[in-house]
Amino acid sequence: KAGVTQTPRYLIKTRGQQVTLSCSPISGHRSVSWYQQTPGQGLQFLFEYFSETQRNKGNFPGRFSGRQFSNSRSEMNVSTLELGDSALYLCASTPTGNEKLFFGSGTQLSVL
Amino acid sequence: GQQLNQSPQSMFIQEGEDVSMNCTSSSIFNTWLWYKQDPGEGPVLLIALYKAGELTSNGRLTAQFGITRKDSFLNISASIPSDVGIYFCAGSDRGSTLGRLYFGRGTQLTVWP
Repeated sequence: KAGVTQTPRYLIKTRGQQVTLSCSPISGHRSVSWYQQTPGQGLQFLFEYFSETQRNKGNFPGRFSGRQFSNSRSEMNVSTLELGDSALYLCASTPTGNEKLFFGSGTQLSVL
Repeated sequence: GQQLNQSPQSMFIQEGEDVSMNCTSSSIFNTWLWYKQDPGEGPVLLIALYKAGELTSNGRLTAQFGITRKDSFLNISASIPSDVGIYFCAGSDRGSTLGRLYFGRGTQLTVWP
C-alpha cells in the first residue's frame, strides 16, 4: 500500500504570497490531519478533515485553511504569507480519525 | 491545550548502550504513541499504547503506558547507528480531539560507533 504522499516537497515563496499544499492519504483512509513543525514550536495541529468536513481545528489564524475532496485527498492553503510561516507542513491520515496517524514526508515551505 | 514534557532533550550514547526517555502530560490521555523522525522526513510510528499499565515491544524498542495515564516511557536496547534521529511522544484524549495528537518536543538521539 502506498503511503501518504505530499506535494510539492519544497517551496520557496515571498511574503504576501499565497501557497497551496497537497496531500494524498493512504488508500482507504478518510481522515486527513495537517500539522506545522518548526524548531521553535515543535509539532502543532492545524486541522482535521473527514468526509470533506472539517471536524477539528487548532489555534492558527484564518490565513490557514484547508479542504478535502470526495476522494479524501486534501489541500491546505496559506494566504498572505509571513516569514514565521516558514516550516515543515506535515499531512497525516487515518482510517476514521483514530489516533494512529501515518505521516507523509512533508512540504518544506520557506518564506523569504 | 495539553502540555507534554519530554525528556531528555538530547542524548549522546555509544553503540550497544540502552536508552530511556519519558514523557509526562498535564492531563490524562487515552492513548500514547511514540514516533521517530529522520531529517527531512515525516514522523514514523514506532509503538502505540492503549491501556494504563500496558507494556508493548517492537523489536529492540519497549514502551509503557504509565498507570496514572499521564506519562509514558520508551526504552531502546542495544542501540545501533541507525537509531539516530528524533523521538517524539504523542498523546490523544480521543473523546474531544478526534484526529488530533499532542506532541512532545522530542529527544534527539545520537549514537557513536
